[in-house]
Amino acid sequence: GQSLEQPSEVTAVEGAIVQINCTYQTSGFYGLSWYQQHDGGAPTFLSYNALDGLEETGRFSSFLSRSDSYGYLLLQELQMKDSASYFCAVGMDSSYKLIFGSGTRLLVRP
Amino acid sequence: DVKVTQSSRYLVKRTGEKVFLECVQDMDHENMFWYRQDPGLGLRLIYFSYDVKMKEKGDIPEGYSVSREKKERFSLILESASTNQTSMYLCASSLLAIVQDFRQPQHFGDGTRLSIL
Repeated sequence: GQSLEQPSEVTAVEGAIVQINCTYQTSGFYGLSWYQQHDGGAPTFLSYNALDGLEETGRFSSFLSRSDSYGYLLLQELQMKDSASYFCAVGMDSSYKLIFGSGTRLLVRP
Repeated sequence: DVKVTQSSRYLVKRTGEKVFLECVQDMDHENMFWYRQDPGLGLRLIYFSYDVKMKEKGDIPEGYSVSREKKERFSLILESASTNQTSMYLCASSLLAIVQDFRQPQHFGDGTRLSIL
């Protein structure tokens, strides 16, 4: 079967750096995406990696290692508004669908 | 900005009822998706569509059907609602891209919290 593993909860302090890991086991792989969802809100797209390496977008960076079936989302200079759930998602076949992980709830404390 | 609008934020229905959830997007996207979201399970794909009148089953299609008569509208139908279909339902859309290129993000609606009594 297909599986994406990510930690269920992470807590960090405002101003710190936090890394949210995602490991995947899928029958195919075309890319890893990350989405953010605040409580009561819609998921919103953060980043996408198709190739190995680091992609940076402002305070957020995303990394992929295809050989290790592993990626992470790095959040720097944490702000209270970063408290949310973060989902990794894999595009694994020639359709347009994504397989989502179960999500990591990030709590940023003062 | 892309706008994906789901017809209801909250909905309460009874077991056995036929339930319609409506989703409309205003960006001329080809792809549309229906997910359900349950605590600890993430988002699970029910059905998706990449064109008018086209539909593909996702991972959990049992008990659901869909309709896409117009490009902007994608409806999810619970044929005979059951209590285990109580959940948050999310609709999403995305632009058609080169197949196998997932760089085009999915844009989500705010969700419909459906309770089946």
